[in-house]
Amino acid sequence: NAGVTQTPKFRVLKTGQSMTLLCAQDMNHEYMYWYRQDPGMGLRLIHYSVGEGTTAKGEVPDGYNVSRLKKQNFLLGLESAAPSQTSVYFCASSQTNRGSPLHFGNGTRLTVT
Amino acid sequence: AQRVTQPEKLLSVFKGAPVELKCNYSYSGSPELFWYVQYSRQRLQLLLRHISRESIKGFTADLNKGETSFHLKKPFAQEEDSAMYYCALSTGNQFYFGTGTSLTVIP
Repeated sequence: NAGVTQTPKFRVLKTGQSMTLLCAQDMNHEYMYWYRQDPGMGLRLIHYSVGEGTTAKGEVPDGYNVSRLKKQNFLLGLESAAPSQTSVYFCASSQTNRGSPLHFGNGTRLTVT
Repeated sequence: AQRVTQPEKLLSVFKGAPVELKCNYSYSGSPELFWYVQYSRQRLQLLLRHISRESIKGFTADLNKGETSFHLKKPFAQEEDSAMYYCALSTGNQFYFGTGTSLTVIP
C-alpha cells in the first residue's frame, strides 16, 4: 500500500520556469491538499480539493494552480516560478469522515534560483 | 477565524524528564484536533487525535475546551522523541497547522 506518493522528490528551477508537482493516492480518499512548509511558518495550505473535478483556494494560493481530473491525482502547477516559492511541498489526503486524519506524502524540495 | 498557536519554537529536555508541548486553538465550532510528528527529513505522521483518547509512544493529549488547549505530554522523554511536532485543527474539509515545536531530547 503506497499511500500518498509525490513526484519529483527534488527540483531546482530558474526564475520564470514552470513545473508541475504530481500527487497520487491509492486510498480512495475524497479530499486532497497541497501545503508548503517553511521554517518558522509551519504548514500553510495552498489549494485543496473535496472531490474529483473540484478545487478551492487555501491560505496562500497566489502563483499556484491545481487540477483534480482524476480522484487519485492532485497536480500542483507553478506557471512562472519565483524565489519566494522555494519551499518543501507536501501533498496530503483524507477521508470525509469527521475526525479523519491527513495522510502525507514524502514531500518535494523545490529551489528556485 | 481559525487559528492554532504553538508558543514554543524550540524545546529542549533531558532524557527521562517530562515534556509538554503546548497548543492553543481558536475556533467557534466543535474542533477536531490532532498532533503530527515529523522526524528528520521524513513525512509528517499522525501521532494523536483527540477523538481517540489514545496514548501513542507514551504521548497523551487532552482537549480542554475551557482553555481551548490541546497540549501534548509525555512523562519520560526518550532520545527518539527528538522531532518536529505540529498541532492541527480540522474544521471539516480544511486543516490548520501551528508553526511547530522542535523538540530536542538531550542524552
